[in-house]
Amino acid sequence: QVQVVQSGAEVKKPGASVKVSCQASGHTFSTSAVNWVRQAPGQGLEWMGWITADNGDTNYAQEVRGRVTITTDTSMTTAYMELTSLRSDDTAVYYCATGRKIRWLEFWGQGTLVTVSS
Amino acid sequence: QSALTQPASVSASPGQSITISCTGISIASGDYNYVSWYQQHPGKAPKLMIYDVTNRPSGISSRFSGSKSGNTASLTISGLQSDDEANYYCTSYTGTNSVLFGGGTKLTVL
Repeated sequence: QVQVVQSGAEVKKPGASVKVSCQASGHTFSTSAVNWVRQAPGQGLEWMGWITADNGDTNYAQEVRGRVTITTDTSMTTAYMELTSLRSDDTAVYYCATGRKIRWLEFWGQGTLVTVSS
Repeated sequence: QSALTQPASVSASPGQSITISCTGISIASGDYNYVSWYQQHPGKAPKLMIYDVTNRPSGISSRFSGSKSGNTASLTISGLQSDDEANYYCTSYTGTNSVLFGGGTKLTVL
């Protein structure tokens, strides 16, 4: 059974960076992809980007392109999402989701709350 | 890329059926067959309910079904139960290999 566990909540000041991790147990990302999705308080889901674990290809949403970087470690069991130049409107719960195909967000992490506040 | 439009809310009584629409699926960009639906209870992570328009992941009740017509995809839930009360999101996987979320629909079971 696949379980996906994310790192804990973060509080950051505007302009800082945050790096959230996403670890899968019972599963490696090597034959799949990892997507990152965020949800601002009381709002809907927003896709941020994905990485294919087999060759490291990435694709980012236009809204965060240039500020977001998604990576995986060499063991391909942990993925990371780094967001730089944080603003107050980046305050959200950040989710990772993996699946056998990029477009199938089958297994989700529990979410990581990132609060950006001065 | 085009937005995906969902009704803000739908409601029905237990045992009834509802359909949630998702409009804006682009045939030309090739994402027509790559529509998924997610259920999200408050404070929880989303859950995949339907993928590639009509397919149910293992463990998802047959009460949930997906379809498409023209530029609109739909999620139908039959035999409504109280636990179906949640937010539902459609997505499409676009011609630019991006995932596009609809705005979400709040389902209330009366």
